[in-house]
Amino acid sequence: QKEVEQNSGPLSVPEGAIASLNCTYSDRGSQSFFWYRQYSGKSPELIMFIYSNGDKEDGRFTAQLNKASQYVSLLIRDSQPSDSATYLCAVNPGNQFYFGTGTSLTVIP
Amino acid sequence: DTGVSQNPRHKITKRGQNVTFRCDPISEHNRLYWYRQTLGQGPEFLTYFQNEAQLEKSRLLSDRFSAERPKGSFSTLEIQRTEQGDSAMYLCASSGHQGFGTEAFFGQGTRLTVV
Repeated sequence: QKEVEQNSGPLSVPEGAIASLNCTYSDRGSQSFFWYRQYSGKSPELIMFIYSNGDKEDGRFTAQLNKASQYVSLLIRDSQPSDSATYLCAVNPGNQFYFGTGTSLTVIP
Repeated sequence: DTGVSQNPRHKITKRGQNVTFRCDPISEHNRLYWYRQTLGQGPEFLTYFQNEAQLEKSRLLSDRFSAERPKGSFSTLEIQRTEQGDSAMYLCASSGHQGFGTEAFFGQGTRLTVV
């Protein structure tokens, strides 16, 4: 069983819509959760992190964490074509970061 | 300090040759991670250091791979007797605190092609 699971997509949304990305994890001891954006051929770029149950908002991005359900999500409001990328979910139970395979998002103008 | 720096950005090598990559972390960060990423996959953990100590190494990592972080500053990753399956993006990341929690920042990566 993989530590972090993501729907690989691709996910397509029209410009201006809300994109919803989901992630589940297996280690109940995990305490910190991260979302990275990765453009093709580039390295991952941190966009959000969350440690506590509930929602955390940063600009157009909202991360949601439900530890009981072992579920993390990322909402992107007012999606822009520049948001088209692969989004990686990462979990850190205390030592290394475990990554999902990523969800490919395309925002259609 | 503008972030994590990796060199070289690209490396093409012949099968059987040795290669070495360098990573310079964010200066105040004490944790340094190496990951490998192939097309369509998420980053795969290789090893990590806290200061100069190598605390964990992936069980998947063959003996041909070795990493060092002398003096707890920059790190090197060496691959001996490269194979075509070693072709991948090698990513270095650093983070600032002990224990869990603090976010990690990646360098630009080194893309290795073994021909």
